[in-house]
Amino acid sequence: DGGITQSPKYLFRKEGQNVTLSCEQNLNHDAMYWYRQDPGQGLRLIYYSQIVNDFQKGDIAEGYSVSREKKESFPLTVTSAQKNPTAFYLCASRQVGTGDYEQYFGPGTRLTVT
Amino acid sequence: AQRVTQPEKLLSVFKGAPVELKCNYSYSGSPELFWYVQYSRQRLQLLLRHISRESIKGFTADLNKGETSFHLKKPFAQEEDSAMYYCALPGPAGGTSYGKLTFGQGTILTVHP
Repeated sequence: DGGITQSPKYLFRKEGQNVTLSCEQNLNHDAMYWYRQDPGQGLRLIYYSQIVNDFQKGDIAEGYSVSREKKESFPLTVTSAQKNPTAFYLCASRQVGTGDYEQYFGPGTRLTVT
Repeated sequence: AQRVTQPEKLLSVFKGAPVELKCNYSYSGSPELFWYVQYSRQRLQLLLRHISRESIKGFTADLNKGETSFHLKKPFAQEEDSAMYYCALPGPAGGTSYGKLTFGQGTILTVHP
């Protein structure tokens, strides 16, 4: 089964704990993205990476961290500094250098922090 | 800064009725625009892009540069069209938004039987 996978599908954490969301892709895409989806607010970009070992902050990076040590993996850590971590998180990827801006999305992880 | 606006959070129509999901954008230059769709329990996926000028699942979207709009239309809605729809705009090459997509707030379409 090719494409982008995110795990787990549902994640529950206590307030004050850091949690890491997994995103893996076997599409050989260079760029990867993390979004947060909240009702009525659309998709907001958290972090993105256009190449291994490099990443940039998106529009709402505060309280989050990422790493890009391998081309196929882009894990997102939601830290205890994130004020409202409960949300649906989407990972996406895109091939760079083709002139195609389409992003391919994973199935998402729903994080609930209580 | 570029921006995408979808003015309707919710849109309800009856089966067989025409449907139009509105999208307006602000962008300097010649934009490329997308419509993404998210059906219940499915991942977000590309529905259509204006460059291809295709009709996908009966949907079309025309880029109107004068009105800076990219409305999604279907003449006869079906129940299976019920979903969340997002309009999206890629950042221009060479700009700070290059490689990123700016999404609208999304419109939940419900097609009633």
